[in-house]
Amino acid sequence: KAGVTQTPRYLIKTRGQQVTLSCSPISGHRSVSWYQQTPGQGLQFLFEYFSETQRNKGNFPGRFSGRQFSNSRSEMNVSTLELGDSALYLCASSAYPGQGSSYEQYFGPGTRLTVT
Amino acid sequence: GQQVMQIPQYQHVQEGEDFTTYCNSSTTLSNIQWYKQRPGGHPVFLIQLVKSGEVKKQKRLTFQFGEAKKNSSLHITATQTTDVGTYFCAGPWTTDSWGKLQFGAGTQVVVTP
Repeated sequence: KAGVTQTPRYLIKTRGQQVTLSCSPISGHRSVSWYQQTPGQGLQFLFEYFSETQRNKGNFPGRFSGRQFSNSRSEMNVSTLELGDSALYLCASSAYPGQGSSYEQYFGPGTRLTVT
Repeated sequence: GQQVMQIPQYQHVQEGEDFTTYCNSSTTLSNIQWYKQRPGGHPVFLIQLVKSGEVKKQKRLTFQFGEAKKNSSLHITATQTTDVGTYFCAGPWTTDSWGKLQFGAGTQVVVTP
């Protein structure tokens, strides 16, 4: 199976702009989670989508939003970018665990966002 | 608030030595997962522990989940240069929040040949 793919891999934006990141999960996986990774804060959960519905949300401002499409692909959007939004944005996909299944998440390579 | 803590933050190890990294949660976890992130890479799933007191081994790596499901450890024997990276523990607070992992800050491992 192909792994999780994220596009673009690198992005440079200026303050005040908005950005959209894309994530394609492993085939058959219906859950996509997004994380922000920075040296200071580590890995922080943004939100999770399952079957086009947001199931869980982290403690990020409303400038961060996401959505999931019927083919399970997901996008996240950050509006009015701030310098502090510079980070590695990771998405992870997982299968619905069901009974006795594993909960592991498979991460994509990430999108490195730099805000200047 | 609820959080997951890992110690030590950094671990310098001589090749061939053993070391242990610890993970402690402020509340009970539904399960605990361990991930490894190589420099410049992304987190890669290593293992999942679900049952209280569970112990699992992967070659030179031994993972343990505490009886109260609030702590975990990763022990690596005979460290090799391929063990370099940051090891994260993570877990969902509840079974229903399986897609929302709370990550520890990680233990960055440096191996000296």
